[in-house]
Amino acid sequence: DGGITQSPKYLFRKEGQNVTLSCEQNLNHDAMYWYRQDPGQGLRLIYYSQIVNDFQKGDIAEGYSVSREKKESFPLTVTSAQKNPTAFYLCASRTGQGASTDTQYFGPGTRLTVL
Amino acid sequence: GNSVTQMEGPVTLSEEAFLTINCTYTATGYPSLFWYVQYPGEGLQLLLKATKADDKGSNKGFEATYRKETTSFHLEKGSVQVSDSAVYFCALYSGNTPLVFGKGTRLSVIA
Repeated sequence: DGGITQSPKYLFRKEGQNVTLSCEQNLNHDAMYWYRQDPGQGLRLIYYSQIVNDFQKGDIAEGYSVSREKKESFPLTVTSAQKNPTAFYLCASRTGQGASTDTQYFGPGTRLTVL
Repeated sequence: GNSVTQMEGPVTLSEEAFLTINCTYTATGYPSLFWYVQYPGEGLQLLLKATKADDKGSNKGFEATYRKETTSFHLEKGSVQVSDSAVYFCALYSGNTPLVFGKGTRLSVIA
């Protein structure tokens, strides 16, 4: 079954700890994205990657880090430097080839709570 | 840069009422336009899309027409159901830019 998987669905972290959120896709997409969603708010872009071994900061990259060693995987690390990490995190992907017919697909999300 | 403005919610409607959620945009080039829907606790699902001016996207009774002259992509449905209760996001990208979202509109449909 093709799609995007994110794990875990719920994650609890103590203040001061780093935590890594997983995102895997089997859609053969080049481009992958991480968004953050806060209650009652829209989606804000954290990081994105359009090709393996390359990534760019989005609008709110401070306190986060990513890697893109494989095409199908784009893990996000929430570091202790992120001041308010409690949020819903969404991973997405699309072909990234710039075609007007390209469509972005989303994973089911990970809800991170800092205790 | 690219941006999307959609009407603030929440929107509360009775079952079988007509729905309009307004969305306007600013973009360089020729953007592709999207509506996504998010049910509680879930990720976003693509509802419909339009990739050029005057295109109409449609799905599950929802429709939106890409209007270049008014830079709009309003979402409509003729008769809403309780199961349509969700948050709706208007979004766009142009070229290879990341998808840019509006802030979302929460719809509640009551029986």
